[in-house]
Amino acid sequence: QKEVEQNSGPLSVPEGAIASLNCTYSDRGSQSFFWYRQYSGKSPELIMFIYSNGDKEDGRFTAQLNKASQYVSLLIRDSQPSDSATYLCAATGFQKLVFGTGTRLLVSP
Amino acid sequence: KAGVTQTPRYLIKTRGQQVTLSCSPISGHRSVSWYQQTPGQGLQFLFEYFSETQRNKGNFPGRFSGRQFSNSRSEMNVSTLELGDSALYLCASSSGQSYWETQYFGPGTRLLVL
Repeated sequence: QKEVEQNSGPLSVPEGAIASLNCTYSDRGSQSFFWYRQYSGKSPELIMFIYSNGDKEDGRFTAQLNKASQYVSLLIRDSQPSDSATYLCAATGFQKLVFGTGTRLLVSP
Repeated sequence: KAGVTQTPRYLIKTRGQQVTLSCSPISGHRSVSWYQQTPGQGLQFLFEYFSETQRNKGNFPGRFSGRQFSNSRSEMNVSTLELGDSALYLCASSSGQSYWETQYFGPGTRLLVL
C-alpha cells in the first residue's frame, strides 16, 4: 500500500465547474497535508496546506481534511482552463514529506 | 526573496558517468530536500540536509549522495549512472524548523542518461 494515494486521472471538468481532487494517506501520525500544482515540464508549486480537521478556503480553492478517515481533498471552484495541471497531495511522514503520484486535471473551455 | 535555484537545468550523460547537481535554497532556509521525479514513480524522496548534516534519507542506492555547505547550498551526486536514473531532480527548501512546514521547490534539473 502506498503511503499517499491519488487517482491518476485524468479528471475532466468543463470550465466553470467544481473540480474535486481526492487523496488518502496511510500514516495516522501525519500532521500536515499539502496540495501542490505542477504544470507539465515545471516544478511543483504550493497551492495550500491544511493541518486541522475541517475545511480551509483560499480563493477558489478549498482543502478538506478528515483525519479519522485519513482523507484529504481539494476543491477548485469555477475551474479555468489554466487550472489544467497535475495536482500532488503530500503528507508529512516520519521526518519527511511523502507525495502521491498526482491527479491530472483537464479543464475544457 | 529569490526563489530556489538549481543548476544545471538540463544534462545529458552516458551510462557509467557521474553527475553533480546543485541547489541554492531560499535565503535564510537551512533545509534542503532532494527528490527524483519520474512518470511512473512520481516524486521520490532522496535525502534531506539541514545545517550541513544529512537528517533523513530515502530508499535509494548508495550511488546517490549529497552534501550541504555552510551557506546552505547543496549538491547531489550520482555515480555510475544507469538508464533508469533519467528523471527530473528537484530540490526543495524550507527553514528546517519542523517537518510539517512548507517546502518550496526549485525549477529542477532534467537528467537524461543515454
